[in-house]
Amino acid sequence: KNQVEQSPQSLIILEGKNCTLQCNYTVSPFSNLRWYKQDTGRGPVSLTIMTFSENTKSNGRYTATLDADTKQSSLHITASQLSDSASYICVVYGGYQKVTFGTGTKLQVIP
Amino acid sequence: EPEVTQTPSHQVTQMGQEVILRCVPISNHLYFYWYRQILGQKVEFLVSFYNNEISEKSEIFDDQFSVERPDGSNFTLKIRSTKLEDSAMYFCASMSSGHEKLFFGSGTQLSVL
Repeated sequence: KNQVEQSPQSLIILEGKNCTLQCNYTVSPFSNLRWYKQDTGRGPVSLTIMTFSENTKSNGRYTATLDADTKQSSLHITASQLSDSASYICVVYGGYQKVTFGTGTKLQVIP
Repeated sequence: EPEVTQTPSHQVTQMGQEVILRCVPISNHLYFYWYRQILGQKVEFLVSFYNNEISEKSEIFDDQFSVERPDGSNFTLKIRSTKLEDSAMYFCASMSSGHEKLFFGSGTQLSVL
């Protein structure tokens, strides 16, 4: 069964600190993996895409990694800001428009 | 950036009533989805729609649910007889052919009383 597990489930960090969110997947076939940010009461918005051949990709203060061998991805947030408080969802695309959502990590950045 | 539009943003209904949630996907997209998210829980897949027919549906999408694209632009989700447990945020999403990225609407918060 295709599954995407994320950890931690929730996280509280101080403003300015870094954090890393984890995603493990068992989706097959694999096409690509996206990290989405979901603000409270809003729809998820794509932050970054990782394809099979990519190991690391940065988008501003966000850096995503992918290890296709171990089927793991991480999202690293540098110098966190209060506006980073949101849920972060790992979504794996399996080709033929098949999409599997992760369980999500709820991040709270406090002053 | 183009947007997926959903209306209404909030819907309150009595148990047993029918509701229709409306979505206008991005105009050149071909794949359409409905997801729901119960408060505090993960996003759950309901149904995908392509070429004017359902391509996949989850166990949640039972006979009380239906979707249609009546006029080539709107994409609707109908719940025939709402239950208390249908209370959730419902998200519409669309995706273009050959580019795997879901674009989500802002959601409709459905409250069944």
